Amino acid sequence: EDKVVQSPLSLVVHEGDTVTLNCSYEVTNFRSLLWYKQEKKAPTFLFMLTSSGIEKKSGRLSSILDKKELFSILNITATQTGDSAVYLCAPTGGATNKLIFGTGTLLAVQP
Amino acid sequence: GAVVSQHPSWVICKSGTSVKIECRSLDFQATTMFWYRQFPKQSLMLMATSNEGSKATYEQGVEKDKFLINHASLTLSTLTVTSAHPEDSSFYICSAEGWERTEAFFGQGTRLTVV
Repeated sequence: EDKVVQSPLSLVVHEGDTVTLNCSYEVTNFRSLLWYKQEKKAPTFLFMLTSSGIEKKSGRLSSILDKKELFSILNITATQTGDSAVYLCAPTGGATNKLIFGTGTLLAVQP
Repeated sequence: GAVVSQHPSWVICKSGTSVKIECRSLDFQATTMFWYRQFPKQSLMLMATSNEGSKATYEQGVEKDKFLINHASLTLSTLTVTSAHPEDSSFYICSAEGWERTEAFFGQGTRLTVV
């Protein structure tokens, strides 16, 4: 059975802190892993990772995938209150290349 | 980026009625559309996968006669919640994937409340 585990489940930090969010997975026919940020409504895309060891960066956010150890991390540096959200990790796999979502990490950034 | 439009964004209906939710890809052809539901403080749960012109593939535990999915064209998929009950109240989100099969693009979601 496909499984995605994100940790921590929730996290409270202060502005300026750096956070690391973890995602481990076991997915049949793995193809890629996507990170999303969800605030009040639908998720917004952050990164898609397909190759191990290649860091993707976008501003203060970065992410990397380890296909051997089956995990990914999402880093956010110099956090801001606007980073407060649920961060979802979603590997793709199965016969239909479906997204398999983790439970998410709730990040709260306090001023 | 690509745009997926979901409509309506919220709906309140009476128990026993049916509700249709539309998901449109506005600037690309969606070969595959996915329907999710999300309960408060929980993650997205995939309900079904639909490919244009063929029957949807439902996830285990999802009643296909209750959640009717139609993907009649490359830009439109619909989810109809039939004979809705209060326990069907949830946030429903669609996502669409094009030929290149890169990221999935999400609609805005539909908040369904059954009273």
